[in-house]
Amino acid sequence: QSVLTQAPSASGTPGQRVTISCFGARSNIGRYNVLWFQQLPGAAPKLLIYSDNQRPSGVPDRFSGSKSGSSAYLAISDLQSGDEADYYCATWDDSLNDRWFFGGGTKLTVL
Amino acid sequence: QVQLQESGPGLVRPSQTLSLTCVVSGGPLVMTGPYYWNWIRQPAGKGLEWIGRINNDGSSKYNPSLEGRVTISVDTSRKQLSLRLTSVTAADTAVYYCVRYDGRSYDAFDIWGHGTTVTVSS
Repeated sequence: QSVLTQAPSASGTPGQRVTISCFGARSNIGRYNVLWFQQLPGAAPKLLIYSDNQRPSGVPDRFSGSKSGSSAYLAISDLQSGDEADYYCATWDDSLNDRWFFGGGTKLTVL
Repeated sequence: QVQLQESGPGLVRPSQTLSLTCVVSGGPLVMTGPYYWNWIRQPAGKGLEWIGRINNDGSSKYNPSLEGRVTISVDTSRKQLSLRLTSVTAADTAVYYCVRYDGRSYDAFDIWGHGTTVTVSS
């Protein structure tokens, strides 16, 4: 059971903007940087966003991250068919037992 | 470009010990500097679970839910990271990823192996 909550699914049409949410608590998102990963079908996860809102080199600026309190958000603008994937948030949690947690993942469908 | 490649037995019997290795290529596996080396797993059709890491001082930290069953070690001369999980059950069936954590440039899991599938079954 994860301490980070994501909606299991999201969808949009090409060209649209979609936002994926990740809800946590003060002991995780409220205190630590959030990461976002994209997992294409059959592939390993790929780092998309680090430090809440920073993109590694090579990640298009269509992808952006933000955080407010104990919630984090991944926005994808100008949606493309190649964006269809599972998206996971992750952060450290220091309540009771220190460890990394991943959200349950959001499956994005491009209609 | 650093690459990680996991390998393992594929099938493990219940109550036995799972042993996986991860070879680092294209760069060093050093126990100094900003890198931590992790194992993360993913049951089929489910989310990601952090198993644990070995720190750059040689100490380890594990997911409390696996504490007592898991050991992560490193052989820098062979550039290999290892995972040992004892008393496995069907719940340990998953794809296991070897993952580098960069504590300087990104403070993030920046490089992932392709993963190796482990099935626990009699």
